[in-house]
Amino acid sequence: DAKTTQPPSMDCAEGRAANLPCNHSTISGNEYVYWYRQIHSQGPQYIIHGLKNNETNEMASLIITEDRKSSTLILPHATLRDTAVYYCIVRVSYGQNFVFGPGTRLSVLP
Amino acid sequence: EAGVAQSPRYKIIEKRQSVAFWCNPISGHATLYWYQQILGQGPKLLIQFQNNGVVDDSQLPKDRFSAERLKGVDSTLKIQPAKLEDSAVYLCASSLLTGRNEQFFGPGTRLTVL
Repeated sequence: DAKTTQPPSMDCAEGRAANLPCNHSTISGNEYVYWYRQIHSQGPQYIIHGLKNNETNEMASLIITEDRKSSTLILPHATLRDTAVYYCIVRVSYGQNFVFGPGTRLSVLP
Repeated sequence: EAGVAQSPRYKIIEKRQSVAFWCNPISGHATLYWYQQILGQGPKLLIQFQNNGVVDDSQLPKDRFSAERLKGVDSTLKIQPAKLEDSAVYLCASSLLTGRNEQFFGPGTRLTVL
C-alpha cells in the first residue's frame, strides 16, 4: 500500500502557483519523498525528490515540513500543460520500489 | 537521448487469447521495470530486472504472466491466457544505478480484453 495521502483533485488558475499537498505521517528517517506526474496517455515523469531539506529544480519546488510528516510540491507558474495526475511517493533511495497511490489530479484552468 | 520505447501502443484481444508486449530501455540502463496501470489507479509494479536477472516478481501473476530480459537489454511481457481484468496500460520503465535512481517511463501499451 502507498504510504502517502493526497487530495484526489485540485484546480489551479493558469499563471498562478499550484501547491499540491502530501501527507506521509509514517515516513521513516531514511525514506525520501519523490514526486512524479503523469500527463494523459503518457508514462509517469520524474519531477523532484528530497529527504529533509527543501529542494528546487527547473520544474518545481519541494517543501518538506520539519517533522517530515508532510510536504508540498509547488509549481510556481502553472500552465495548461501542467494538467496531470501528480504522485507523491516515499521510499528509501536504494532497494525499495516505487509504490504509486491514486495521486492528485491537477486541472490548470485558463 | 532516446527514451524508453514500447510496442505496440494499443492492443485489443479476446479473453483466453495470448498477447506480448515489447520494451527497449534507455541505452545503458541496467534496471528495467514492468508496471500495470488500471484505469483510475496508480501504476503497480509487476516485475523488476537487474540486467537479465529478476530482482522482484512478487506481484506478477505467474500463472498467466511471464517476462524475460534476454541479454540484459530488451524485454518482453507476455500474458497467456488473458482475462477481462487484465485490461490496463502496461508501462515499462528503466533506470541507471545512481544515487537518485530516477525511473524513466515509456508511453505504455493499452490492452483491452473483450
